[in-house]
Amino acid sequence: GENVEQHPSTLSVQEGDSAVIKCTYSDSASNYFPWYKQELGKRPQLIIDIRSNVGEKKDQRIAVTLNKTAKHFSLHITETQPEDSAVYFCAAVITNDYKLSFGAGTTVTVRA
Amino acid sequence: NAGVTQTPKFQVLKTGQSMTLQCAQDMNHEYMSWYRQDPGMGLRLIHYSVGAGITDQGEVPNGYNVSRSTTEDFPLRLLSAAPSQTSVYFCASRDWNYGYTFGSGTRLTVV
Repeated sequence: GENVEQHPSTLSVQEGDSAVIKCTYSDSASNYFPWYKQELGKRPQLIIDIRSNVGEKKDQRIAVTLNKTAKHFSLHITETQPEDSAVYFCAAVITNDYKLSFGAGTTVTVRA
Repeated sequence: NAGVTQTPKFQVLKTGQSMTLQCAQDMNHEYMSWYRQDPGMGLRLIHYSVGAGITDQGEVPNGYNVSRSTTEDFPLRLLSAAPSQTSVYFCASRDWNYGYTFGSGTRLTVV
């Protein structure tokens, strides 16, 4: 099955600075890479995703990049705000499979 | 359209007791799954189903049982609860275009 590794496990940034979270995956057949944000006591919420035929995707202050050759993908949050404080998970899905494999999560704290 | 509904939201069990976590979706999704979430370990797949009558094991299936008699429902059974099963459990379904929808979770404590 797929194995997803995520770094760092914790990240503290000053409000207004950028935050970057990196993930690697093991199976080159993976073709879908979502990112989830989870606030305390809540369910994971999809914030952005990218498919294997795309190298980069952006949605306002959030962007994701994918390097298929190196089998890694990253989440970039610019101009961080206190409401960006949460746990972020990367995940991957292998083509023609259904299972969503998660990274261990990154706790992001935005300091005011 | 309620999405994915999980019940109960909280549960305390004694070691050895059994119980069923309920999950229902109204989106006609064929794929449904159960995850457990433990601190520092992300979400790990317990069991999944690709349609009524079809189930399979995920990464951490031991101590859990599932069945899928209808498209809408995918209950998770704990056969004999153990403290190691203390966790937050999420049910999720998926549409044809990789859109995953999560339930609100069940926080289970086994004492």
